[in-house]
Amino acid sequence: QSALTQPASVSGSPGHSITVSCTGTSTDVGGFNYVSWYQQHPGKAPKLMIYEVNNRPSGVSNRFSGSKSGNTASLTISGLQPEDEADYYCCSYTTNSTLYVFGTGTKVTVL
Amino acid sequence: QVQLVESGGGLVKPGGSLRLSCAASGFTFSDYYMSWIRQAPGKGLEWVSYISSGGGTKYYANSVKGRFTISRDNAKTSLFLQMDSLRADDTAVYYCARERVGARHDLWGQGTLVTVSS
Repeated sequence: QSALTQPASVSGSPGHSITVSCTGTSTDVGGFNYVSWYQQHPGKAPKLMIYEVNNRPSGVSNRFSGSKSGNTASLTISGLQPEDEADYYCCSYTTNSTLYVFGTGTKVTVL
Repeated sequence: QVQLVESGGGLVKPGGSLRLSCAASGFTFSDYYMSWIRQAPGKGLEWVSYISSGGGTKYYANSVKGRFTISRDNAKTSLFLQMDSLRADDTAVYYCARERVGARHDLWGQGTLVTVSS
C-alpha cells in the first residue's frame, strides 16, 4: 500500500488562504468519505483537524475546512496565522490490504 | 483528564523484542477502537495496527504483519504492542491513538521512541 500523495510544501502570507491536496485512488480516498487531516508541530503529537472529509472536531478553528473531488481530498486553511505553520497529514480508510493509509505529509510555511 | 500515555520504548538490537504499553484515562476505554501509529525520524506518519473495542478484530500494516501483535486489557484500560523480530527500519516514535469509525484518530499519546540498532 503506497502512501497518499501530498505536496512536500505549501506556503502563504498571513491572512491569505492555502490548500493542501491529498491524492489517492478509488480504493481509498475516492471510494469512501473516510478522510481525516492532522496537524503536527515539531516534537509534538499529531492533532486531528478534520474527519470524514469535511467535519471539524470541537475546538478546531473554522478557518480549517476539508473537501473531496474524485480521488483527491483537500484541506484549506483560510486567514492564515503564524501558528498554522506545521506539518499536515491526510489519512484515509483503504480496502487495499491494510486498513488505513497516511499521506506523505506537507510542510505549511507562513511567510 | 482525558489522556493516553505510552511507555516501553528503548534501544533494542536487530532481531530483538519489545513490548509497548499505552495507559488510557479520563474516558471509557472499552468503548473505543485503538490504533498504533509510528513515525520514523524525520519521516511521515505510518499506520501500524488496529484493534476493535472488544479486542476481537485486529489489522496490521504489511510491514509488520507476522512480527507485531496488538492487544488490549479493558479492565486495566491499557493497549499493548508486542514487537518481535525487530529491524532497523522499525526505528520510530510509536504513538497510540484513540479511534472512531472512519480514520478518525481523535486522541493521541505523546509517543515513545523505539530504536533498533546494534
